[in-house]
Amino acid sequence: DQQVKQNSPSLSVQEGRISILNCDYTNSMFDYFLWYKKYPAEGPTFLISISSIKDKNEDGRFTVFLNKSAKHLSLHIVPSQPGDSAVYFCAASLPYNNNDMRFGAGTRLTVKP
Amino acid sequence: ETGVTQSPTHLIKTRGQQVTLRCSSQSGHNTVSWYQQALGQGPQFIFQYYREEENGRGNFPPRFSGLQFPNYSSELNVNALELDDSALYLCASSPSLFSYNEQFFGPGTRLTVL
Repeated sequence: DQQVKQNSPSLSVQEGRISILNCDYTNSMFDYFLWYKKYPAEGPTFLISISSIKDKNEDGRFTVFLNKSAKHLSLHIVPSQPGDSAVYFCAASLPYNNNDMRFGAGTRLTVKP
Repeated sequence: ETGVTQSPTHLIKTRGQQVTLRCSSQSGHNTVSWYQQALGQGPQFIFQYYREEENGRGNFPPRFSGLQFPNYSSELNVNALELDDSALYLCASSPSLFSYNEQFFGPGTRLTVL
């Protein structure tokens, strides 16, 4: 039962341009959403999050948008840098059990110089 | 650096064997979660331990079990290994149950079951 889906396995963008990574979910009970970045041979690292009571959260070059009616969230990276090249996972958690997170399969982002 | 370490890095076992994977949480973190990441998929929640007690479990059979120790280290034990158990196993520690943005992952243990 894949409740969180990332339908694009990979994305390639030019340095300086915008990267948009998408994520869809099916469980309307999710109340918190997170994005993680993963480099090879390392564990995922937290990037940015958003509560279901908001529709946008911004942190420097990273912005997450949440569309609850569409059960869709996206991560925007502007401007993209070669160091952003990694696998990005979106994750969602249920109320009062935030450590039981449901992850998407990930999108591999490649930022070309 | 997250401070979460896992051992071993890689492990090869045969079907039917038992395996123990270890995780050393970041200092002060009383919550540890274990995840299984199969090739090409996202991490799947196995279970969570809070103050040495299991505090939630995903859709994994009882042959997956765990322990958490007072020094915040923990173990994942898998009995009667199956070929489908081949995956990257990640542990993640956090300072409390409701620390949304403070779950730190270790680098994982790559288990291969032949």
